[in-house]
Amino acid sequence: AQSVSQHNHHVILSEAASLELGCNYSYGGTVNLFWYVQYPGQHLQLLLKYFSGDPLVKGIKGFEAEFIKSKFSFNLRKPSVQWSDTAEYFCAVILIGYSSASKIIFGSGTRLSIRP
Amino acid sequence: GAGVSQSPRYKVAKRGQDVALRCDPISGHVSLFWYQQALGQGPEFLTYFQNEAQLDKSGLPSDRFFAERPEGSVSTLKIQRTQQEDSAVYLCASSLAAGLDSGANVLTFGAGSRLTVL
Repeated sequence: AQSVSQHNHHVILSEAASLELGCNYSYGGTVNLFWYVQYPGQHLQLLLKYFSGDPLVKGIKGFEAEFIKSKFSFNLRKPSVQWSDTAEYFCAVILIGYSSASKIIFGSGTRLSIRP
Repeated sequence: GAGVSQSPRYKVAKRGQDVALRCDPISGHVSLFWYQQALGQGPEFLTYFQNEAQLDKSGLPSDRFFAERPEGSVSTLKIQRTQQEDSAVYLCASSLAAGLDSGANVLTFGAGSRLTVL
């Protein structure tokens, strides 16, 4: 089955630490990739997206992600986290050319807790 | 409106009751999606509308789940004879154009309707 894997379920960091959240997908074709964030009590918001072109994409709030096709990965990074980055982060993918191309498939999420 | 609006925000139902969840997408948005998010999980696709046409309902878990969007704007997700396993947050999302393959076309999510079945 086509899927998105986020191996880190809960990550705890101190402020100013660097962040990398892993995301892998299983599909041999073309993909569109996303990271969404859900702050406590708020709705899902788009952090960044990759459709084509430069595999290093920059999003809001200093986040970036790199698409590595050979590794089927789209890891999220931030050089220095802040307490306000405490949230749930979801990696998501659209499988282009697959019958489900009309929907985004989400990973199970990574909860990020930042110690002040 | 400015965003995707969902109601009710919270719903408690007794097992066996029918429930209806409403979604008001952003005005003019062609595509509308319903997702189910169980506790500790990512959103799972339920169904997709392009205007009033339901183009994909492959994610609906059983025939107790039914969705409609009769005039191509407001959508209702109905769950008949609710079961405890239906407890989840139901998310609605909309996007401006048809499909999601365009780089300019992204989903805007509502806050969700949290359903608890006792």
